Amino acid sequence: DTAVSQTPKYLVTQMGNDKSIKCEQNLGHDTMYWYKQDSKKFLKIMFSYNNKELIINETVPNRFSPKSPDKAHLNLHINSLELGDSAVYFCASSYRTGVAGELFFGEGSRLTVL
Amino acid sequence: SQQGEEDPQALSIQEGENATMNCSYKTSINNLQWYRQNSGRGLVHLILIRSNEREKHSGRLRVTLDTSKKSSSLLITASRAADTASYFCATVMQSEKLVFGKGTKLTVNP
Repeated sequence: DTAVSQTPKYLVTQMGNDKSIKCEQNLGHDTMYWYKQDSKKFLKIMFSYNNKELIINETVPNRFSPKSPDKAHLNLHINSLELGDSAVYFCASSYRTGVAGELFFGEGSRLTVL
Repeated sequence: SQQGEEDPQALSIQEGENATMNCSYKTSINNLQWYRQNSGRGLVHLILIRSNEREKHSGRLRVTLDTSKKSSSLLITASRAADTASYFCATVMQSEKLVFGKGTKLTVNP
């Protein structure tokens, strides 16, 4: 029973295309996150939503747009893909307690832009 | 901006030995967490230590926190080949944001 699931697991696309990654959690958590892990394994937070409300929005190009239709889902849409967008994108979720606690991560979506 | 910095970047040991990884950070924290990432997988939470705690144990894991030195260490005792993974520390200030370090890649040789 997968707690945080992301689709697709792999995505290969051409520069300039638009793509989406979907995330769903069945843990009953309030807060969901998107992290980007680059080729050097560095993890950087991109966005966080609490119950459909955006609470963290790091310095991310506005080509990246998160959408949360409900508290169990957080999707990431990327417009006009660039080579530098190639990375592994992780979705995560947690209970909201005002200060970040334990995060539960999905398995990642590896995006390759050619 | 990056907060935590793990040391060493890579560590190779024999099965049965202990592995120690260190994490240093720059600003005051609310809590510090350690995560494991197996190759090609997502991160898995190992342990959370709050700023008013000095040491925590979980199975073969022991985490210490020294807020005066702004550092933490993760000790894995009696390591196994299955412990081979990257280990990340992550710090939380007074916010919802978890900031990760660059990780230590641990290889446990059978």
